[in-house]
Amino acid sequence: AQSVAQPEDQVNVAEGNPLTVKCTYSVSGNPYLFWYVQYPNRGLQFLLKYITGDNLVKGSYGFEAEFNKSQTSFHLKKPSALVSDSALYFCAVRDIRNTPLVFGKGTRLSVIA
Amino acid sequence: ETGVTQSPTHLIKTRGQQVTLRCSSQSGHNTVSWYQQALGQGPQFIFQYYREEENGRGNFPPRFSGLQFPNYSSELNVNALELDDSALYLCASSTRQGEATEAFFGQGTRLTVV
Repeated sequence: AQSVAQPEDQVNVAEGNPLTVKCTYSVSGNPYLFWYVQYPNRGLQFLLKYITGDNLVKGSYGFEAEFNKSQTSFHLKKPSALVSDSALYFCAVRDIRNTPLVFGKGTRLSVIA
Repeated sequence: ETGVTQSPTHLIKTRGQQVTLRCSSQSGHNTVSWYQQALGQGPQFIFQYYREEENGRGNFPPRFSGLQFPNYSSELNVNALELDDSALYLCASSTRQGEATEAFFGQGTRLTVV
């Protein structure tokens, strides 16, 4: 069965500093990996995905994520955090059989001015 | 904003009642999935519809049911509501042109069962 772990419930970072939100996954085959962001009282917004190819994928709003197959990780990164990045971030995985997206519990990012 | 719209945005129901939530998928998308997001949790998969047929279901009881219409819009029905059904219900649409496609989510329906 697929699973996703987001080990940090909360990440605090100062504005302008780099940020990392961690994600590890478990899937039986090759994974498709996604990051979504959720603002208060809103649905999920797609940020980026890894399908194949380069391990570093770039997405919306300056976010990027690094796929590491040996560590089964897909950490979300941004070189310089903004206060407006404060939100709830979800990592999700799907295997190549088109199984449903499985989400982690989410990590709340707080960027402090 | 995505092209996925859900209605209503908020709803309060009494335990034991039935509720219907609606979702209009993004243009060109033929697959709709429903998720339940309890407070402080990640979304949990309820079921998925592809071209009007259910083609995947999560660990939810039969009182959770759904429909997809020819225009690919969808409904989620929940019978015999329980207090634990209180959650944000999210609809997501996608094209089934490959499993690598991302899903686009609506803003959700906040259901409160009292």
